Amino acid sequence: EDQVTQSPEALRLQEGESSSLNCSYTVSGLRGLFWYRQDPGKGPEFLFTLYSAGEEKEKERLKATLTKKESFLHITAPKPEDSATYLCAVQVITGNQFYFGTGTSLTVIP
Amino acid sequence: DAGVTQSPTHLIKTRGQQVTLRCSPISGHKSVSWYQQVLGQGPQFIFQYYEKEERGRGNFPDRFSARQFPNYSSELNVNALLLGDSALYLCASSPTSVLSGNTIYFGEGSWLTVV
Repeated sequence: EDQVTQSPEALRLQEGESSSLNCSYTVSGLRGLFWYRQDPGKGPEFLFTLYSAGEEKEKERLKATLTKKESFLHITAPKPEDSATYLCAVQVITGNQFYFGTGTSLTVIP
Repeated sequence: DAGVTQSPTHLIKTRGQQVTLRCSPISGHKSVSWYQQVLGQGPQFIFQYYEKEERGRGNFPDRFSARQFPNYSSELNVNALLLGDSALYLCASSPTSVLSGNTIYFGEGSWLTVV
């Protein structure tokens, strides 16, 4: 069964304290892995798409990487405005749906 | 350019009632997907429509139905509402079929509360 697991469930960081969020997946065949940011009461906002192991994408303080079993979202010197829930999703080769993890709730303390 | 727009943003319904949620995709996008997000969980796939045809259905009961119109907008209908249907309903659009590996872009969602 296709499965996506995110860890940790929640993360509290001091402003400027870098860290990483993990997304591990077990799928029959990966078409793409997607990262989204979701603020409370809002819809998910697209961040990155990764298609193959070894691929990396960067945007401001965020960097996403992909291996054959997992993806990491690295946050460098985070600011309070980075506080949100970060969702990971995978699309499999044989399907047309996205499988989402339960997300990591990030709080950055000033 | 406008993103994905959904209406209504919030609504309260009574058990047993029916609800219709509406979605307009990003201009030029021909595929619409619907997801249900229960508090504290990730979104769960309900339907995908591309070129007005159903291209995928998640593990939801027949009380859930949807359709896509010639202008690519979409409606999600839920009949015989249960308390457990209370959730954020998300619409997402992509340029072509999701099978192409396209990113999907979400709207702000419709909050449904069933009492």
